[in-house]
Amino acid sequence: QKEVEQNSGPLSVPEGAIASLNCTYSDRVSQSFFWYRQYSGKSPELIMSIYSNGDKEDGRFTAQLNKASQYVSLLIRDSQPSDSATYLCAVLPLSGSARQLTFGSGTQLTVLP
Amino acid sequence: DAGITQSPRHKVTETGTPVTLRCHQTENHRYMYWYRQDPGHGLRLIHYSYGVKDTDKGEVSDGYSVSRSKTEDFLLTLESATSSQTSVYFCAISETQQETQYFGPGTRLLVL
Repeated sequence: QKEVEQNSGPLSVPEGAIASLNCTYSDRVSQSFFWYRQYSGKSPELIMSIYSNGDKEDGRFTAQLNKASQYVSLLIRDSQPSDSATYLCAVLPLSGSARQLTFGSGTQLTVLP
Repeated sequence: DAGITQSPRHKVTETGTPVTLRCHQTENHRYMYWYRQDPGHGLRLIHYSYGVKDTDKGEVSDGYSVSRSKTEDFLLTLESATSSQTSVYFCAISETQQETQYFGPGTRLLVL
């Protein structure tokens, strides 16, 4: 079982809709959670980081973390065609010798005009 | 790209030849990382560095070595390139291990 799981998609939503991207992780003591956006042929860029249970909002983006369910999600409100990209979930464990950021395989999002 | 450059940006080489990729940062961050990205696998950590001359292995380190002689430079070497090392290689940096990692523009490597 992969440590960080994402629906590979592709996920298609119409312009103006809410896009919901989901991520589950296996390490119960994970501490930090990140969402990156990656356009085709480009490098990943950070959208959001979240460390505590609950919601964190930044503009049209909301990250939601539920550590009890080992689940983190990203909501994109009022989706735009420019949001079309692959979204990567990344998880950092709390401690241990292999304290490395682990990425999911990514969810490809297409926002249809 | 947060003051990170990678060179070369594209490279085609032949099986069995040595290849060195360079990552250079101007942010004075302590941590530097090398990842490879392949379809269906996402980003996988090859090696990372937590200071000058301090490095450690990641998830997929076999066939790769690294060196960091200066804070700003982190080199990734494929001692004898194989076709399975055809990939896109990303360098990343962070101030601490807990902080956000920022990525360089990537290097596309094709091993024939």
